[in-house]
Amino acid sequence: AQSVTQLGSHVSVSEGALVLLRCNYSSSVPPYLFWYVQYPNQGLQLLLKYTSAATLVKGINGFEAEFKKSETSFHLTKPSAHMSDAAEYFCAVRNAGGTSYGKLTFGQGTILTVHP
Amino acid sequence: DVKVTQSSRYLVKRTGEKVFLECVQDMDHENMFWYRQDPGLGLRLIYFSYDVKMKEKGDIPEGYSVSREKKERFSLILESASTNQTSMYLCASSLPPGQGGGYTFGSGTRLTVV
Repeated sequence: AQSVTQLGSHVSVSEGALVLLRCNYSSSVPPYLFWYVQYPNQGLQLLLKYTSAATLVKGINGFEAEFKKSETSFHLTKPSAHMSDAAEYFCAVRNAGGTSYGKLTFGQGTILTVHP
Repeated sequence: DVKVTQSSRYLVKRTGEKVFLECVQDMDHENMFWYRQDPGLGLRLIYFSYDVKMKEKGDIPEGYSVSREKKERFSLILESASTNQTSMYLCASSLPPGQGGGYTFGSGTRLTVV
């Protein structure tokens, strides 16, 4: 079975500071990994995805994430936070095979607050 | 721009009513999914479908059913709505995982059962 753990349900940073949102996964087969963002009362929007190409993945809005197989991690970073980054972020894993074929499993989410 | 459209943003229904939540995608995706989202519980998979007229139970199917008569439409049905089904419902569609895609989500339907 696959699972995702996001460390920290709430993260607070100052505007201009580094954003680091942590995600660890478990998967019995090579995974596809995703980060989504959700603004209040909206659906989820794809930020970036890892699909076994480059381990450093760049996404929208200046975010990037690095796949580290040895650490089973896929942490999301942004060098300089902006007020508009305040939202809830979800890490997700999807297997291309195995018993969880095709299903996307989400972490519990991390709410990012950005202070002026 | 590709889209997943959910028919209602906000819905209020009475206990015991039969409720239909509609989802339509215009991307010719084979896979479609229904999730519910609750504070502290994250997103939980209710049902999914890999093809027309095909459905599989997710993690929390009790009290729900689905219908997929056409490729582009995936309906979630609450047979007899209860207050514990008050939630945000999210529909998504995707290509098969081997094609490397993530999910495209609709804007969600916030359902309140009174």
